[in-house]
Amino acid sequence: DPKIIQKPKYLVAVTGSEKILICEQYLGHNAMYWYRQSAKKPLEFMFSYSYQKLMDNQTASSRFQPQSSKKNHLDLQITALKPDDSATYFCASSQDTGPGNTLYFGEGSRLIVV
Amino acid sequence: TQTVSQSDAHVTVFEGDSVELRCNYSYGGSIYLSWYIQHHGRGLQFLLKYYSGNPVVQGVNGFEAEFSKSDSSFHLRKASVHWSDSAVYFCAVINTGNYKYVFGAGTRLKVIA
Repeated sequence: DPKIIQKPKYLVAVTGSEKILICEQYLGHNAMYWYRQSAKKPLEFMFSYSYQKLMDNQTASSRFQPQSSKKNHLDLQITALKPDDSATYFCASSQDTGPGNTLYFGEGSRLIVV
Repeated sequence: TQTVSQSDAHVTVFEGDSVELRCNYSYGGSIYLSWYIQHHGRGLQFLLKYYSGNPVVQGVNGFEAEFSKSDSSFHLRKASVHWSDSAVYFCAVINTGNYKYVFGAGTRLKVIA
């Protein structure tokens, strides 16, 4: 059974619209992350959260907003979508944020913006 | 800032062959090194990691990796591959100062049965 659930698995959005990507983890982890993977770039770190607090934000655009309603949830809201936002977005978690902690990934949400 | 280079974008081998996937990194400070595997349409899965001690680390499914400080490398090896090892393999460097993971571009391994 998947321990990190991402929804939806696939979605197509219109330029200018807004979407929310859902992530829930059932590993009891304290840290959660968002990564982006596209054809143009390797796996790219976006955000990290620890105990529901933002730890690091490497996303230049404010159109990307993480939202953590519970410790095991980290959703990603994307507004004013652009075709360049087309990518697979991976949620990940780890026990804590220390470097020795292993990352566990969800199966991704593949977003296509037309 | 750490950087990771995976020089081979694609590697093709026959089932039963050995394989080495190369990873070189650049960073002057303290780091962890990891390998992850991504099967088609799936998320990344952890294979192994190194921080200190024996430079050869064993991972899941018969994979091992060897750290070399002099070469700034952390190459992944498997003695006898199976068709199910076909996937994309990512090397990652984790900075112990800011806990940041930086992933390489990935190497796509194709195993011909």
